[in-house]
Amino acid sequence: TQLLEQSPQFLSIQEGENLTVYCNSSSVFSSLQWYRQEPGEGPVLLVTVVTGGEVKKLKRLTFQFGDARKDSSLHITAAQPGDTGLYLCAGANGNQFYFGTGTSLTVIP
Amino acid sequence: DAGVIQSPRHEVTEMGQEVTLRCKPISGHNSLFWYRQTMMRGLELLIYFNNNVPIDDSGMPEDRFSAKMPNASFSTLKIQPSEPRDSAVYFCASSPRTSGTVTFYNEQFFGPGTRLTVL
Repeated sequence: TQLLEQSPQFLSIQEGENLTVYCNSSSVFSSLQWYRQEPGEGPVLLVTVVTGGEVKKLKRLTFQFGDARKDSSLHITAAQPGDTGLYLCAGANGNQFYFGTGTSLTVIP
Repeated sequence: DAGVIQSPRHEVTEMGQEVTLRCKPISGHNSLFWYRQTMMRGLELLIYFNNNVPIDDSGMPEDRFSAKMPNASFSTLKIQPSEPRDSAVYFCASSPRTSGTVTFYNEQFFGPGTRLTVL
């Protein structure tokens, strides 16, 4: 059973388009992180959110933590080929830490 | 600065053989994590250490899996005996741990992974 479900699972878009990736759970998390992973490498942290309703921006990426701390979204504006990769959300609750199912993004030049 | 170092990068072995994966965390980091990644199950936390002490090993799939951290600069994940279903990419990650109990708030720095194939 996956605690963190991400959608969509796969996404292929043209350069310049906008997109949103979702991370949903029925569980409450004390903090939630987003990572990006490229082929043959380990995940790299993009952001950590801890407060319900929190919004963080990282250049063209906007991250939001749901008010109830059960879900999160990642919005990318004007996607570029360099944004291609596997996007993973990860939630923490006490001693437990779970990664989401992942969204594989391909940005076509 | 050197990141997390894992060895070997690739391992191919036969069912029943013992496999040992190695990890050198970033110097000064207090927490170390072992993960397994497969297409079917995604990225799973197997075990993590704080100050060389195992804190939670509930993610270790079976008794065939064991992990040790004899000192702050070295950890091993051992599978004995190995089975084909153990085939996966195994990641090691480390993070600087602040005082308190919020272990997973800090950034985890991942190694490049070990791709294990058990025939």
